[in-house]
Amino acid sequence: DIQMTQSPSSLSASIGDRLTITCRATQSITSYLNWYQHKPGKAPKLLIYAASSLQSGVPSRFSGSGSGTDFTLTISSLQPEDLATYYCQQTYRTPFTFGPGTRVDIK
Amino acid sequence: QVQLVQSGAEVKKPGASVKVSCKASGYTFTGYYIHWVRQAPGQGLEWLGWINPNTDGATYAQKFQGWVSMTRDTSITTVYMEMSRLKFDDTAVYFCARGVGSGSRLDFWGQGTLVTVSS
Repeated sequence: DIQMTQSPSSLSASIGDRLTITCRATQSITSYLNWYQHKPGKAPKLLIYAASSLQSGVPSRFSGSGSGTDFTLTISSLQPEDLATYYCQQTYRTPFTFGPGTRVDIK
Repeated sequence: QVQLVQSGAEVKKPGASVKVSCKASGYTFTGYYIHWVRQAPGQGLEWLGWINPNTDGATYAQKFQGWVSMTRDTSITTVYMEMSRLKFDDTAVYFCARGVGSGSRLDFWGQGTLVTVSS
């Protein structure tokens, strides 16, 4: 199975800060990498697909980059509603594994 | 509008089975795979597998092969996930989600179904 790691596991930032979350795969997944935002008690929400494509309706402060094994999710200006856990998921090969998540807190 | 509506919470004893439903609406049911993902308390997201509603073919993560079964009923645009031989650590919220495109991004999700395994 392809294993996914994320760093950091958690972070605390101020409103307006720029945040970067990294995701790494144990083998090349080309660009088959999606990012989700998950808030407690809600369903996960797709933010970025194919490593860098913004899902319809998602604010433009979210962006993604990378290919191969290394990927990043960037929030250009953190907003209060961005309090959540963020997961990457590879869909290159089944099982479509998720990273362990990055919890984002607001200072 | 696209909607996935899941069945309600379940409480089961160890060793029992549970069947969770996911009713799809607002799109062509047979045109998109349905994935199942779970989240145990305090844990991350875990992918269980997917089903092709057009063919009824399913692919499972190896961990779940043999005790998870995904099926569909096209007449009522509903997908089912049945899990047998439940253990305490199967307690989780189970989500269905629609897979889109060659990259299988999960663009619409059900609201989640809490399955509690308790004696």
